Amino acid sequence: DAEITQSPRHKITETGRQVTLACHQTWNHNNMFWYRQDLGHGLRLIHYSYGVHDTNKGEVSDGYSVSRSNTEDLPLTLESAASSQTSVYFCASSESAGAAYNEQFFGPGTRLTVL
Amino acid sequence: DAKTTQPPSMDCAEGRAANLPCNHSTISGNEYVYWYRQIHSQGPQYIIHGLKNNETNEMASLIITEDRKSSTLILPHATLRDTAVYYCIVRVEGTGGFKTIFGAGTRLFVKA
Repeated sequence: DAEITQSPRHKITETGRQVTLACHQTWNHNNMFWYRQDLGHGLRLIHYSYGVHDTNKGEVSDGYSVSRSNTEDLPLTLESAASSQTSVYFCASSESAGAAYNEQFFGPGTRLTVL
Repeated sequence: DAKTTQPPSMDCAEGRAANLPCNHSTISGNEYVYWYRQIHSQGPQYIIHGLKNNETNEMASLIITEDRKSSTLILPHATLRDTAVYYCIVRVEGTGGFKTIFGAGTRLFVKA
């Protein structure tokens, strides 16, 4: 069955370190998204991509970067981790941005702690 | 930046209908309304979407007002497993296309 996976599921790192969170989907979806969710809050969009080599900034993109070299993967990199980036990170994918309807499928999340 | 307004929390008795309201007064004519829910710490799950007409699927019904400025998600017979945060979402246009902005949602408590 097609799916979307994230790794690692849990990560503890230190301030200033570079961290990369992986997201992999097997639906062959064009669109992929990264969100962060802080305790008691909704999801905030970090970066998104509508296809290979396409990336766009979301609401809270400072300190994060993404690259899209193939359809299946959109890794999220924290260039220099800060304690404010402690959060749960969700990856999602959907078929087509141009379509009127595009249900998003979410991964299980990565819980990141920056000490 | 969320274009929707929802009550922060609601209670519902098990077996009764749960009616979750959402205001989206700035929605444009060709924008869909989407509903997702998030159970505990899992990733959000799609429930239903609609444009103008009322919609129903195996999970819920969506009632959209004629002026499209508000909608209501109806869970006809709520169970304890429906306790979750429910997000009402409309898409906004961003660089390169549309993107989805989640607000804080409504935390629904289904009580026995």
